[in-house]
Amino acid sequence: DIQMTQSPLSLSPSVGDRVTITCRASQNIKTYLNWYQQSPGQAPKLLVSSASRLEIGVPSRFSGTASGTDFTLTITSLQPEDSATYYCQQSYTFPFTFGPGTKVEIK
Amino acid sequence: QVHLQESGPGLLKPSETLSLTCTISGGSIDTNYWTWVRQSPGKGLEWIGYIYYAGDMKIHPSLKSRATISVDMSNNQFSLRLNSVTAADTAVYYCARSYSGTYSYFDLWGRGTLVTVSS
Repeated sequence: DIQMTQSPLSLSPSVGDRVTITCRASQNIKTYLNWYQQSPGQAPKLLVSSASRLEIGVPSRFSGTASGTDFTLTITSLQPEDSATYYCQQSYTFPFTFGPGTKVEIK
Repeated sequence: QVHLQESGPGLLKPSETLSLTCTISGGSIDTNYWTWVRQSPGKGLEWIGYIYYAGDMKIHPSLKSRATISVDMSNNQFSLRLNSVTAADTAVYYCARSYSGTYSYFDLWGRGTLVTVSS
């Protein structure tokens, strides 16, 4: 199975901060990498697909980039409603796998 | 607008069979791929498998001997069956939609249903 790692696993930024979450795949997944946001008690919500394609309706402060097997989700100017856990997920090969999640708790 | 809703028993005993159904409203089951994902309490997300109405199905290798996903075209539903459950199968189970098998993403999710396995 392809292992997905994320860093950091948690962070406590302030409103207005720029936040960067990194996801690394254990092998080449091209750009078949998706990002999800999960608020407490809610289902995951797709933010970014194919490493950098922002879903319709997702604020433009979210963006995704890729470099080899490293992927980054960036939130510019963090807002209170961005407090959530963020997961990456590869869809390149079976079984599909998710990263462990990065919990963003706003100070 | 398409909605997904999971349903099924919330409490099972060890060795019983987990049976969940996802009802699709506002859309048709024959236009997408349909997936099950679970999340153990306090843990991350685990992909279980997917099905396409025409028969394409994939199950996580670790669950392949116990899990089956099926489609009910007449009721616009798809289902998950997981045999011989143990406490390790306690989780919130989500159904989700994707536009294809591989190289895709889950763009619509149900609210999830908690299944607890306990004697």
